[in-house]
Amino acid sequence: GIQVEQSPPDLILQEGANSTLRCNFSDSVNNLQWFHQNPWGQLINLFYIPSGTKQNGRLSATTVATERYSLLYISSSQTTDSGVYFCAVYPYSGGGADGLTFGKGTHLIIQP
Amino acid sequence: SQTIHQWPATLVQPVGSPLSLECTVEGTSNPNLYWYRQAAGRGLQLLFYSVGIGQISSEVPQNLSASRPQDRQFILSSKKLLLSDSGFYLCAWSTGPPNTEAFFGQGTRLTVV
Repeated sequence: GIQVEQSPPDLILQEGANSTLRCNFSDSVNNLQWFHQNPWGQLINLFYIPSGTKQNGRLSATTVATERYSLLYISSSQTTDSGVYFCAVYPYSGGGADGLTFGKGTHLIIQP
Repeated sequence: SQTIHQWPATLVQPVGSPLSLECTVEGTSNPNLYWYRQAAGRGLQLLFYSVGIGQISSEVPQNLSASRPQDRQFILSSKKLLLSDSGFYLCAWSTGPPNTEAFFGQGTRLTVV
């Protein structure tokens, strides 16, 4: 099946800093989503971005489908940005899976 | 707008006891429904997938089963829980196949003791 690798696994930043999270995937995809898992465990949808660039406030994301990676940018970090960020994909070929394949996540800690 | 409800939020069950987790979706018809499990705080694994009433696909052989008795209701069950069933269980829905955007419920944290 498709492989999803996220980097870095852990990231500690000061409030106000900018960060870039990366997601590499091993096959062509027709679904790529970024999620933020808050301290209560809920997965919050950030972006549905199988290709192209999107922005939502301080967050933006870019997926370069031909090179099989996606980037999530967080600017002017706030303590509420802390949590785990997941990238999840669905392969263009289907690959036998019936749902999203998740990476292991990036654990982001924003210190005041 | 569409919403997804999942309950209970937390559950502590003894080994060998039965399990029933429920998920319902509002504001949409004929959604695709999913059960995922997250162990050790990282990475989600797909357990079950349903495209309609009574239609269930299992991704991972295990001690669990799923049912879809109504269009917008998805239930995760077990007859006898194992310690290894502990984890965080999340229900999700999408309007179409897995290449459409998925939305997740609040999750159930299950501890088997």
